[in-house]
Amino acid sequence: DSGVTQTPKHLITATGQRVTLRCSPRSGDLSVYWYQQSLDQGLQFLIQYYNGEERAKGNILERFSAQQFPDLHSELNLSSLELGDSALYFCASSVGAGVGTGELFFGEGSRLTVL
Amino acid sequence: GENVEQHPSTLSVQEGDSAVIKCTYSDSASNYFPWYKQELGKGPQLIIDIRSNVGEKKDQRIAVTLNKTAKHFSLHITETQPEDSAVYFCAAIINTPLVFGKGTRLSVIA
Repeated sequence: DSGVTQTPKHLITATGQRVTLRCSPRSGDLSVYWYQQSLDQGLQFLIQYYNGEERAKGNILERFSAQQFPDLHSELNLSSLELGDSALYFCASSVGAGVGTGELFFGEGSRLTVL
Repeated sequence: GENVEQHPSTLSVQEGDSAVIKCTYSDSASNYFPWYKQELGKGPQLIIDIRSNVGEKKDQRIAVTLNKTAKHFSLHITETQPEDSAVYFCAAIINTPLVFGKGTRLSVIA
């Protein structure tokens, strides 16, 4: 158990809908990262928050947004969903702002299926 | 930004044989190179890492080597066991975020 909690584990929805994925980082970790994993693209970085502030941004679509709350949990909002958004979404956390200060701890992921 | 290439995408070995997975990176400023193992239904988990001031690091049956000049690093698993079957990801980083390769699916055949 990594200590990172993601909900829901599975989600099935229709095109055009909006969903929210939630992540609780390990106790004491200030950084939260979101990654998207699809079959042929590996782990694609979406966005990082550190202590409530956006720290780094990857190839995150404009239809996607995220935030980190004062209690350090994070939510990833996916809207106007398309079939191609079907993927496994991972949240990870680390102690510091940069990964070089320690490892990333991953949750078990939220599997999103868009029909 | 950083780009990490990983080969092979799939690898099958007989139990007891060695497995080698190779990665190249593009940004010579990258200074931290971790390897993650993802078992079925789970998130990736760090198994070993190496920093740019070290050429080789070993932890029991796994080892990682780094060639900064050529900008490539490799994961070596010796005496493979069925429980080594998983997807392995290499990654590189300067500061943030961690950039992953596309993964290698390792199958250890008993």
